[in-house]
Amino acid sequence: EAQVTQNPRYLITVTGKKLTVTCSQNMNHEYMSWYRQDPGLGLRQIYYSMNVEVTDKGDVPEGYKVSRKEKRNFPLILESPSPNQTSLYFCASSFTVAGGADGYTFGSGTRLTVV
Amino acid sequence: SQQGEEDPQALSIQEGENATMNCSYKTSINNLQWYRQNSGRGLVHLILIRSNEREKHSGRLRVTLDTSKKSSSLLITASRAADTASYFCATDAGDYKLSFGAGTTVTVRA
Repeated sequence: EAQVTQNPRYLITVTGKKLTVTCSQNMNHEYMSWYRQDPGLGLRQIYYSMNVEVTDKGDVPEGYKVSRKEKRNFPLILESPSPNQTSLYFCASSFTVAGGADGYTFGSGTRLTVV
Repeated sequence: SQQGEEDPQALSIQEGENATMNCSYKTSINNLQWYRQNSGRGLVHLILIRSNEREKHSGRLRVTLDTSKKSSSLLITASRAADTASYFCATDAGDYKLSFGAGTTVTVRA
């Protein structure tokens, strides 16, 4: 089944403790992206990647890092999480930067709480 | 940056009725897409309309696009309980991403 797999689904952590949210897709998509969703703000892009070893900042990159060492994986790293990073995170992938006719394929989300 | 804004924020309708929601955006676009999200789950792509198209249909969905007004509408006909979800418009403005609005929450009452 074609899908984007995110882990973990839920995560509660403490301020300052480094964490990684994994994202993997099995569709050979070149484009991958991370969004965060907050009430009333919609989805805001954190980082995106056009292909292996090609990443760039989105609208809200502060406090996050990413890497793209393999085509299928695009982990999101929070080096020192803070409470304002409490949010619902989504990984998305597609063949093209804006999804094309099939749009983006989204993961199921990671609900992160930083206390 | 939030490109699209949906209206209304929330909508409650009876099963069998039609649901209409609107999206306004700020800059010129290549295409506009609509997505559905069920209760905190991942978004699912519904339909894409290109900037040179005015109307598109897919099953019970009808999308219109008015580039002169920078607006789009999504109509769901003969709604069902399973249509209860949040609906988001997303715009491709050629800036390496889709920009999403805050969404319209639709509740279909049995």
